[in-house]
Amino acid sequence: GENVEQHPSTLSVQEGDSAVIKCTYSDSASNYFPWYKQELGKGPQLIIDIRSNVGEKKDQRIAVTLNKTAKHFSLHITETQPEDSAVYFCAASRGGAGANSKLTFGKGITLSVRP
Amino acid sequence: KAGVTQTPRYLIKTRGQQVTLSCSPISGHRSVSWYQQTPGQGLQFLFEYFSETQRNKGNFPGRFSGRQFSNSRSEMNVSTLELGDSALYLCASNQGAGYGYTFGSGTRLTVV
Repeated sequence: GENVEQHPSTLSVQEGDSAVIKCTYSDSASNYFPWYKQELGKGPQLIIDIRSNVGEKKDQRIAVTLNKTAKHFSLHITETQPEDSAVYFCAASRGGAGANSKLTFGKGITLSVRP
Repeated sequence: KAGVTQTPRYLIKTRGQQVTLSCSPISGHRSVSWYQQTPGQGLQFLFEYFSETQRNKGNFPGRFSGRQFSNSRSEMNVSTLELGDSALYLCASNQGAGYGYTFGSGTRLTVV
């Protein structure tokens, strides 16, 4: 089955700096890659996603890049703010219905933004 | 638009008991998935329902079961609770294939 690995496990950055979180996946049939942000006491919140027919997607300060050949994708956060501090999860799925719909998650990374 | 609603938020149960958790998806969403989140194992897929049918199941023992009703609301049941079942149980819904999942805030289950 799919295996998603996330690196590093913790990341601390200065406010205003950029943060990059990387994930690798094993299933070459995976074609949907979402990123979730989880704050204390809340469920994961979808912040951006990308499909395999796109190499990069951007939404304000957040961007995701995908390298299908190397089977890795990355989350980029620019101009980090203290409210960006949270646990971030990457995930992968085959993106279809039924058996192809399940998300396989990475272990998560704790991002701390120092004021 | 209301989000995914999970009840109850917190539960404390004793080993050997059973528990039922409830999830109301976003209006119009017909797919509901359940995930277990623990510090050690992270987020793990339990099962997915669509139009009252289980379409996909993760690698959990048969003590974990679920169902979906005609209004898309879903319940999951865990029988003969074990200490290791203590976790945050998350429900997620989406509109269908190709759309992202929206998660609820979860039910925190503690087994003592």
